[in-house]
Amino acid sequence: QVQLVESGGGVVQPGRSLRLSCAASGFTFSSYGMNWVRQAPGKGLEWVALILYDGSNKYYADSVKGRFTISRDNSKNTLYLQLNSLRAEDTAVYYCAKIRGFRATTVTTFDYWGQGTLVTVSS
Amino acid sequence: QSVLTQPPSASGTPGQRVTISCSGSSSNIGSNTVNWYRHLPGTAPKLLIYSDDQRPSGVPDRFSGSKSGTSASLAISGLQSEDEADYYCAAWDDSLNGGVFGGGTKLTVL
Repeated sequence: QVQLVESGGGVVQPGRSLRLSCAASGFTFSSYGMNWVRQAPGKGLEWVALILYDGSNKYYADSVKGRFTISRDNSKNTLYLQLNSLRAEDTAVYYCAKIRGFRATTVTTFDYWGQGTLVTVSS
Repeated sequence: QSVLTQPPSASGTPGQRVTISCSGSSSNIGSNTVNWYRHLPGTAPKLLIYSDDQRPSGVPDRFSGSKSGTSASLAISGLQSEDEADYYCAAWDDSLNGGVFGGGTKLTVL
């Protein structure tokens, strides 16, 4: 069955960096776009970034553009999110989410989600 | 301030039908499909409705979606206590060139 397992979260000081990983299994990873979605404490879901199935295109929310980088290694079935110049407002649970649809592109149809990893930005 | 607008709360009694609205614009709901998610704190969100009105396998037919113009709705009939959760709409936004979620609606079963 499909499994997405995030890791890499933790407590980090403002201005520092962190890299999140999402290990995927149970499906042909290289055929599906992948996303990161976050939820800050007491807030709603916020879409963060999308990378297409082959890594050819990447899209970012304005709130993270220029600071976060999404990437993937299809040989390792792993999705990444590099978080740089972290701010207090980046504190959130970060979820990776698989796009429903073989080689689908710019959609928000996420059929599988991980359990999330918590990033806390605090001095 | 979310790009997609949802009521912050909704409620109903067991067996009732409730509707949750999601209002957007021509660059998101007006030109792309809408998806709905259910989320319980501490768990992974679940896809309830995709492509405006399609149910993934395993989602009961008590859940239905619709869209008209720049607005969409999620309807839940035969309300059950386990339906208590936060519900979110989502769509791609062509102007922002990114995904957008509604602010979420907390559903309470009285």
